[in-house]
Amino acid sequence: DADVTQTPRNRITKTGKRIMLECSQTKGHDRMYWYRQDPGLGLRLIYYSFDVKDINKGEISDGYSVSRQAQAKFSLSLESAIPNQTALYFCATSDPTSWETQYFGPGTRLLVL
Amino acid sequence: KQEVTQIPAALSVPEGENLVLNCSFTDSAIYNLQWFRQDPGKGLTSLLLIQSSQREQTSGRLNASLDKSSGRSTLYIAASQPGDSATYLCAVWRTSYDKVIFGPGTSLSVIP
Repeated sequence: DADVTQTPRNRITKTGKRIMLECSQTKGHDRMYWYRQDPGLGLRLIYYSFDVKDINKGEISDGYSVSRQAQAKFSLSLESAIPNQTALYFCATSDPTSWETQYFGPGTRLLVL
Repeated sequence: KQEVTQIPAALSVPEGENLVLNCSFTDSAIYNLQWFRQDPGKGLTSLLLIQSSQREQTSGRLNASLDKSSGRSTLYIAASQPGDSATYLCAVWRTSYDKVIFGPGTSLSVIP
């Protein structure tokens, strides 16, 4: 089984809808991240969490919110989706005992119409 | 503010060639640098991680070097194969408690 899983893998939604992307990990890492990837822009950090009680905004947090329900679960919400939030979304963990080596989920492809 | 760039954006080589991918960063005070591979529509797979105190790391046909003073890292791929075709991204940590900054990636095509 994959160490970092994301659900759903693909999602089509309409402008104004609220959606949630979920991430689960079995690596036992405290640190988790949400990124979005757009063609030609690389990955940009949305939110990150260093433990269950810690939530931090990343580079592009506007329009997004997160919830760290447990060490293993980190969810990303779009309160009112808009078309420019169409992107590939990745969840990741990192291991501070190995110099923050990052482990990524398979991604969620989101299309906002 | 740390900025990470990768040149070229795309590269096409015949099978068997040795090649070098470049990653540049503006702030030399880094914690580590990590190289990833991404296949189309897929997640990122870690290839090599170089700690700030290291100069290079090797894994199989891959060798990554780090020169903090010049703000550069290179990923050397020996004897390229069609299966190496993918996008390669580098990422830099400024400190262990700071966020990571990704480069935009180099898209590699190895032609049989």
